[in-house]
Amino acid sequence: KNQVEQSPQSLIILEGKNCTLQCNYTVSPFSNLRWYKQDTGRGPVSLTIMTFSENTKSNGRYTATLDADTKQSSLHITASQLSDSASYICVVSGGYNFNKFYFGSGTKLNVKP
Amino acid sequence: DAGITQSPRHKVTETGTPVTLRCHQTENHRYMYWYRQDPGHGLRLIHYSYGVKDTDKGEVSDGYSVSRSKTEDFLLTLESATSSQTSVYFCAISGGGTGELFFGEGSRLTVL
Repeated sequence: KNQVEQSPQSLIILEGKNCTLQCNYTVSPFSNLRWYKQDTGRGPVSLTIMTFSENTKSNGRYTATLDADTKQSSLHITASQLSDSASYICVVSGGYNFNKFYFGSGTKLNVKP
Repeated sequence: DAGITQSPRHKVTETGTPVTLRCHQTENHRYMYWYRQDPGHGLRLIHYSYGVKDTDKGEVSDGYSVSRSKTEDFLLTLESATSSQTSVYFCAISGGGTGELFFGEGSRLTVL
């Protein structure tokens, strides 16, 4: 069964600290993996997208890694800011239709001053 | 930002009434999707479209129907709304070689 699991479900960190969010998937065949940020009351916005051949991709203070062998990805946030408080969703596309997407339940991050 | 507009953004209705949510895109993308998002669940696919008049069911399609008469518009209809359909509904579009997936801002539906 194609699944995407994220951990932790929620996380509280102090402003300025780093954190890492995890995503494990069982989607096969694999096409690509994306991380989205969803602010409260808004739609998800893409942070990064990685294909099978990419191990790491950065977007400002956000760095995503992908290990296609172990089917694991992580999103590392450096020097967190209050505006990083949001839900982060891991999305994997694949199966036999690259326009089919599998969603994790998200990690809710709360950055406190 | 991708050109996706959802309407209405907020709606309160009563059980048994019909409801239609509209998604409008200006990107000319082939694929359009309707998802619902509920606490404790990830985004769940209701229906999707892969072209004008071409639609298919997702994992939670019961009680919902869709139509796509033009590339830019994808309508989601609840024929007879129930309280279990209280949710936030997101439209998304996808297309092009990267398969990028863009979301609208969501429509919050409350069924009393």
